[in-house]
Amino acid sequence: KNQVEQSPQSLIILEGKNCTLQCNYTVSPFSNLRWYKQDTGRGPVSLTIMTFSENTKSNGRYTATLDADTKQSSLHITASQLSDSASYICVVSDRSGGYNKLIFGAGTRLAVHP
Amino acid sequence: DAGVIQSPRHEVTEMGQEVTLRCKPISGHNSLFWYRQTMMRGLELLIYFNNNVPIDDSGMPEDRFSAKMPNASFSTLKIQPSEPRDSAVYFCASSLIMETKETQYFGPGTRLLVL
Repeated sequence: KNQVEQSPQSLIILEGKNCTLQCNYTVSPFSNLRWYKQDTGRGPVSLTIMTFSENTKSNGRYTATLDADTKQSSLHITASQLSDSASYICVVSDRSGGYNKLIFGAGTRLAVHP
Repeated sequence: DAGVIQSPRHEVTEMGQEVTLRCKPISGHNSLFWYRQTMMRGLELLIYFNNNVPIDDSGMPEDRFSAKMPNASFSTLKIQPSEPRDSAVYFCASSLIMETKETQYFGPGTRLLVL
């Protein structure tokens, strides 16, 4: 069964600190892995997209890594800001149906405190 | 561009009533997705349209749910009759499929509460 698992479920950090979120997946066939940010009451917004041949992808203070062999990914947030408080969702794409069918993780809820 | 537009943003209805959710995708996009998000199950794909044609509706929970896309700029998701377990946030997303990395852009969602 295609699954995406994220850890931790929730995380509290102080403003300015770094943090790393984890994602493990069993989706097959694998096409690409995405990280989305979802603010409370809003739709998810794409942060990064990586194919199996890409090991790392950055978007400002967000850096995602991918190990396609171990089927693991991480999202590192540097110098956190209060606006980083949100849910971060790991999403793996299955293209077996001829399109990017997205399989969503449950998300990590991040709270950045001043 | 205004992004994906959904209406209404909030809907409260009583069990048994018909509910219609609306979506206007980003202009020029050729693919549209309807998702449902709940605390228990997270985000799940309900149905996928490509060039206004339903391609994958395997996620539609049951016959009470139906979706249409009469043209490239409008789609509806209808629930009839609604039940309390349908309470969730429903998202519409659109994309332009050109390559593997195509990005899906999500709307703000419709928060549905069925009493």
